[in-house]
Amino acid sequence: EDQVTQSPEALRLQEGESSSLNCSYTVSGLRGLFWYRQDPGKGPEFLFTLYSAGEEKEKERLKATLTKKESFLHITAPKPEDSATYLCAVYKGGGADGLTFGKGTHLIIQP
Amino acid sequence: DTEVTQTPKHLVMGMTNKKSLKCEQHMGHRAMYWYKQKAKKPPELMFVYSYEKLSINESVPSRFSPECPNSSLLNLHLHALQPEDSALYLCASSQDGFRDEQYFGPGTRLTVT
Repeated sequence: EDQVTQSPEALRLQEGESSSLNCSYTVSGLRGLFWYRQDPGKGPEFLFTLYSAGEEKEKERLKATLTKKESFLHITAPKPEDSATYLCAVYKGGGADGLTFGKGTHLIIQP
Repeated sequence: DTEVTQTPKHLVMGMTNKKSLKCEQHMGHRAMYWYKQKAKKPPELMFVYSYEKLSINESVPSRFSPECPNSSLLNLHLHALQPEDSALYLCASSQDGFRDEQYFGPGTRLTVT
């Protein structure tokens, strides 16, 4: 069975304290892995797409990496405005049943 | 313009009502999606239209009915809903399909009484 597991479920950091969020998957035939950020009561906001192992992408304080089994979202020197839930989604191909979201990591950055 | 708009923002309906949720995008995207999201849970994909072809999540009950009048518009028709259907309903679009990033609307907060 395809699974997408995000860890930790929740993470509290001090401002400036760098860390990483993990998304591990057991999907066969990965076609794409997506990272989104979601603020309470709002729709998810796209961050990154990764298609193949070894790929890396950066945007401001965020960097996403991908291996054959997992992806990391590295957050460098975070600020309070980085507080949000970070969602990972994996696409294996096919129709509506080919996209699976993880449960997310709730990140809190304290000033 | 990278905006996906959804109306209404909030909806309260009884179990015998019929209502519709609306979604619109003007990015020229050819795929549009409906998701259901309960509190503190990830979005669950309900339906996707890609080049006017519908793909359904088989677990979605028939009281939800999607409609795609054209490539910019997406509706979700609601009929005889249950209180457990109360959730945030999100619309999203992407350029061609699942391999592309999705742009989400702000959602419609639905309460079924």
